[in-house]
Amino acid sequence: GAVVSQHPSRVICKSGTSVKIECRSLDFQATTMFWYRQFPKQSLMLMATSNEGSKATYEQGVEKDKFLINHASLTLSTLTVTSAHPEDSSFYICSAHNNRPTNEKLFFGSGTQLSVL
Amino acid sequence: AQTVTQSQPEMSVQEAETVTLSCTYDTSENNYYLFWYKQPPSRQMILVIRQEAYKQQNATENRFSVNFQKAAKSFSLKISDSQLGDTAMYFCAFMKHVLQGGSEKLVFGKGTKLTVNP
Repeated sequence: GAVVSQHPSRVICKSGTSVKIECRSLDFQATTMFWYRQFPKQSLMLMATSNEGSKATYEQGVEKDKFLINHASLTLSTLTVTSAHPEDSSFYICSAHNNRPTNEKLFFGSGTQLSVL
Repeated sequence: AQTVTQSQPEMSVQEAETVTLSCTYDTSENNYYLFWYKQPPSRQMILVIRQEAYKQQNATENRFSVNFQKAAKSFSLKISDSQLGDTAMYFCAFMKHVLQGGSEKLVFGKGTKLTVNP
């Protein structure tokens, strides 16, 4: 089946630093990728939709300058948490949309646990 | 905007028994997709089952089946012969229908924590 690789799986950083999370579709092209945030014992909340070659579309309440998204190729999207603070600590998950006409379209990365000290 | 409601925060079932997880949704769309995802302690999101709204027949995948009631906007998941490995968070999700090549976001419910007891 299609695979989405997300790195790193876990990162601990100091307050004020920036952290980059990568999401790669390994065996398919993904024009569109999605970034979610999940707090403990809660559901996934969509942060933004990442479109290859164009600007990301952010959900209401998500700071564009805080969460920078780059989708420079059909297999890679990155989420950069800039000047991270403890309240940014969360589990971040990406998903990639398979352009091919298959039954299952959306594939999830394994997630990144961000802890900001 | 679409909303998905899962009214059971937690449920438990004995191994080998059957359990049903509830999900209701609200939408003005006529064509859409519904999903159940499983999130075990590893937190990897795993697709359990998917239903296309234009199909009247309920989807089934081995021990997993759904009861899709379009008029009532209800989409429950039945797990038969529950196994210890079924212990996980289960999320119901909605997606608007998209044209070929397009993509739409998933809207998730709050989840139901299922525990299968030995």
